Amino acid sequence: AQKITQTQPGMFVQEKEAVTLDCTYDTSDPSYGLFWYKQPSSGEMIFLIYQGSYDQQNATEGRYSLNFQKARKSANLVISASQLGDSAMYFCAMRPPSGGSNYKLTFGKGTLLTVNP
Amino acid sequence: DTGVSQNPRHKITKRGQNVTFRCDPISEHNRLYWYRQTLGQGPEFLTYFQNEAQLEKSRLLSDRFSAERPKGSFSTLEIQRTEQGDSAMYLCASSSTGGHQPQHFGDGTRLSIL
Repeated sequence: AQKITQTQPGMFVQEKEAVTLDCTYDTSDPSYGLFWYKQPSSGEMIFLIYQGSYDQQNATEGRYSLNFQKARKSANLVISASQLGDSAMYFCAMRPPSGGSNYKLTFGKGTLLTVNP
Repeated sequence: DTGVSQNPRHKITKRGQNVTFRCDPISEHNRLYWYRQTLGQGPEFLTYFQNEAQLEKSRLLSDRFSAERPKGSFSTLEIQRTEQGDSAMYLCASSSTGGHQPQHFGDGTRLSIL
């Protein structure tokens, strides 16, 4: 069974500073994918970034980057130059290995990020 | 590019009533997922469709829940004889083929049981 752990219920950061949101995962499969989603108070889940288990380089998307440490089973999200609009819940999620067709996601409990002006 | 659309956004109903939610996925996506999210938790998988075929259902999906995706387009999720514990946000997501493809979520339907 797959499991995602997000140990930070809440994080605070000053505007324009960088912040790291932690995510550790547990799986016995060698092939998997990791996603980060943002959920503002309005409720929609917004896809941010993806990392495949076989990807050699850490994923980056604009101000978002993923610090992927496979041996430690961690996939931390780094947000650079925080903006007030970054205040939201952030979820780390994992998909099962390739080979099937159901890529259902297993989510962590999330981290509530607050960006202070 | 139209995103995933869910209706209604909010549903308030009395315990014991039946409710039905609709999800319109991104048109070229053949995969459709339903998740449930309760307060303070991440979404939990309920069921999955590939085209019109329902290929997996979670144990969370009791006999009171049924989902359909006729013709592989929109999907409906029906809850019969609603209970207090059904109060949650119901999220629909769609994706195209490929494990690296992200699931795109709708805004969700928030269900409140009185």
